[in-house]
Amino acid sequence: LAKTTQPISMDSYEGQEVNITCSHNNIATNDYITWYQQFPSQGPRFIIQGYKTKVTNEVASLFIPADRKSSTLSLPRVSLSDTAVYYCLVVDLNSGNTPLVFGKGTRLSVIA
Amino acid sequence: DVKVTQSSRYLVKRTGEKVFLECVQDMDHENMFWYRQDPGLGLRLIYFSYDVKMKEKGDIPEGYSVSREKKERFSLILESASTNQTSMYLCASRGAGGFDEQFFGPGTRLTVL
Repeated sequence: LAKTTQPISMDSYEGQEVNITCSHNNIATNDYITWYQQFPSQGPRFIIQGYKTKVTNEVASLFIPADRKSSTLSLPRVSLSDTAVYYCLVVDLNSGNTPLVFGKGTRLSVIA
Repeated sequence: DVKVTQSSRYLVKRTGEKVFLECVQDMDHENMFWYRQDPGLGLRLIYFSYDVKMKEKGDIPEGYSVSREKKERFSLILESASTNQTSMYLCASRGAGGFDEQFFGPGTRLTVL
């Protein structure tokens, strides 16, 4: 099971771009990277996932370099409502019945 | 709109009581999970189930049991509640595909006095 390492916390001002980097040095060929977001007093929710290069959706972008040993979640022009905990997970493509392991995540605080 | 619902948002119980936390999903998912979340400790897996009547222990099963009699319902049972089980309890479900995302319920904040 590939272990992930991400910063404990980050602060940002409104309107800035925020990049959260996750390290997963022992990622395997069958693994992909997925990110979840958790607002206070709510359960986590899926935001983006990818295998390599770049993925973009309406919420965020995910950058994965060629060696796949790290990934960066990019949130463009954050607002106060982006204050949340962000979890980086590495998931085996063949792990349909295996629980997702959530670490402690990165607590992002957006300041006005 | 896909949903995972939990029976209570807030619950207060006394030490020694038997506590039932109910979770229902409407997505026909094979897998269901119970986590607890405490400050500074992240989400920790208590139990999970990949099929009806099947259950597997997670990382912290002590003091808990589960029941899955129907595919859509997964119950967490605290046989004799203790103060150290005061926590936020999160239920989740997920399909069997490798790429399937996991859906969480809103959580139950349990306080044991």
